[in-house]
Amino acid sequence: GAVVSQHPSRVICKSGTSVKIECRSLDFQATTMFWYRQFPKKSLMLMATSNEGSKATYEQGVEKDKFLINHASLTLSTLTVTSAHPEDSSFYICSARDQGGVTDTQYFGPGTRLTVL
Amino acid sequence: QKEVEQDPGPLSVPEGAIVSLNCTYSNSAFQYFMWYRQYSRKGPELLMYTYSSGNKEDGRFTAQVDKSSKYISLFIRDSQPSDSATYLCATRGTSYGKLTFGQGTILTVHP
Repeated sequence: GAVVSQHPSRVICKSGTSVKIECRSLDFQATTMFWYRQFPKKSLMLMATSNEGSKATYEQGVEKDKFLINHASLTLSTLTVTSAHPEDSSFYICSARDQGGVTDTQYFGPGTRLTVL
Repeated sequence: QKEVEQDPGPLSVPEGAIVSLNCTYSNSAFQYFMWYRQYSRKGPELLMYTYSSGNKEDGRFTAQVDKSSKYISLFIRDSQPSDSATYLCATRGTSYGKLTFGQGTILTVHP
């Protein structure tokens, strides 16, 4: 149980284009999902908290107009990187909060590697 | 000072060794403690989840929490090359909020 998927796993795009990343909880409902960014050999950096049916909460320093988050259902959250630039190249990971099991914690997706040319 | 401190290593051990991974934290409000394992280019995988002080064992893995000293540990017995990964400790308070992660320790188990 507690499986989270992400799509795509890898994307290469040209500078100036927008990229959408999907995060799905496959076997549980998640009212809360999280989006992280990870640089090589570094820990996870929380970008935003995504709440189903309401606006996302962004961490300080994260541009909400650049990183658009939509959490339209209890199993799907999307992150759209708008007008991507090479400095946006990174490993993006989502997680979903599972409240229904024994633990109340986050389960992570496999990550999406974004390369902006 | 970071809320959760973790030695990034790298840590290299021979196969079969006992591995000890540790974190310290500063916020006494933290009540829940987790260990995640992350393989290269993959998302973190939940290994252990503990509440408050004490020990929890799962196969070759033992998680230990000492709230009096704000110290959390993960022990891996009979380590295997497949255990080679980055191990992240994480904590949170009682009211659900975001997790606070350590920097991660890079572990290599060589045959």
